[in-house]
Amino acid sequence: KAGVTQTPRYLIKTRGQQVTLSCSPISGHRSVSWYQQTPGQGLQFLFEYFSETQRNKGNFPGRFSGRQFSNSRSEMNVSTLELGDSALYLCASSFGSNYGYTFGSGTRLTVV
Amino acid sequence: AQSVTQLDSQVPVFEEAPVELRCNYSSSVSVYLFWYVQYPNQGLQLLLKYLSGSTLVKGINGFEAEFNKSQTSFHLRKPSVHISDTAEYFCAVGGGTGGFKTIFGAGTRLFVKA
Repeated sequence: KAGVTQTPRYLIKTRGQQVTLSCSPISGHRSVSWYQQTPGQGLQFLFEYFSETQRNKGNFPGRFSGRQFSNSRSEMNVSTLELGDSALYLCASSFGSNYGYTFGSGTRLTVV
Repeated sequence: AQSVTQLDSQVPVFEEAPVELRCNYSSSVSVYLFWYVQYPNQGLQLLLKYLSGSTLVKGINGFEAEFNKSQTSFHLRKPSVHISDTAEYFCAVGGGTGGFKTIFGAGTRLFVKA
């Protein structure tokens, strides 16, 4: 069975640009969560979607947004990129919070 | 608010030796507890989880963890490690007052030496 697919794997963007990352969850998983991973801050929760509804949001500025489509695929968008947004962005899908996550391999974003 | 503390940032150990990676959590209500492993340039993989019931949980790759409610701990153990166990390990807490998000600890880097 296919795992969680994140595209693209690598991105290089310039400060001030915007970026969209994509995540396709495991078939049947309706919950999709996004995390930002950096060496200094570890894994920081961005948001969680279930059936196209955002159920929880982390402490990130409004430049970070996301959405989920009817097929459970999810996208996250970061506008007006800053150097500090350079990170590994991980998507995780699950049946629910007590099942544990299946993670994708991540998108490594570098802002220059 | 719920939180997770991993007490060791790095743990070096010789191959075939036992290892324990320590994790403490903070929550006023019952929660779900998880351990994940991350190999270089990859996402995280679920090792094991505790939801309820038996306090000793067995996971993949020979790992196990013990839930201790009185000490609010969920330490990960393996009786004999291999070089291939070298990776970063994350303890995480979900459910409870956190709603639909899972909070991760800062991670422990396990380095297995030959």
